[in-house]
Amino acid sequence: AIQMTQSPSSLSASVGDTVTITCRASEGVTDDLGWYQQKPGKAPKLLIYAASTLQSGVPSRFSGSGSGTDFALSISSLQPEDFATYYCLQDYNRPYTFGQGTKLEIK
Amino acid sequence: EVQLVESGGGLIQPGGSLRLSCAASEITVSEAYMNWVRQAPGKGLEWVALIDSGGGTDYADSVRGRFTLSRDKSKNTVYLQMNNLRVEDTAVYFCARDVLGAAAAEVAFDSWGQGTLVTVSS
Repeated sequence: AIQMTQSPSSLSASVGDTVTITCRASEGVTDDLGWYQQKPGKAPKLLIYAASTLQSGVPSRFSGSGSGTDFALSISSLQPEDFATYYCLQDYNRPYTFGQGTKLEIK
Repeated sequence: EVQLVESGGGLIQPGGSLRLSCAASEITVSEAYMNWVRQAPGKGLEWVALIDSGGGTDYADSVRGRFTLSRDKSKNTVYLQMNNLRVEDTAVYFCARDVLGAAAAEVAFDSWGQGTLVTVSS
């Protein structure tokens, strides 16, 4: 199975900051990668699919980039509601695999 | 708006069986790609299984041979039959719809249920 490694595992930032979370695949996944946001006790929420396509209704301060093995999720002008855990998901082949998560906390 | 409602979780002894349900509204499960994703307490997300619009299924290696997906068109519900449960199967189980389905090579889990907790313990 393809392994997905996110970094950092946790991140502290302030409202208004710009942050970047990275995800590295153990082998190439072309652009078959998504990003999900999860808040405590809630289901994940789709942010980005196909590496850089913003899901309908998701604010434009979220953006995704990358292809092959290296990907990034950037969040500009952090808002209070953005503090959550973020996961990448490769869907290049099954079993689909998630990264271990990045917890974004308020500084 | 798509709604997915999971049910069927609970406390079960190792080796036991449970059947989880995912009831859908505003979509037809027999025409959708439906997935199960689980999350062990305090841990990350793990993809578990998929049933596609043609009825084809696929499973994570950790559950293959023990878990089985099915669906009931009349009830618009997907089922995850879980047999020979292990302690490590303890998790919240989410069902999720892949909105892209057969239309694209990529996957996008745009709709999720609230999850149902399965606890495997003696």
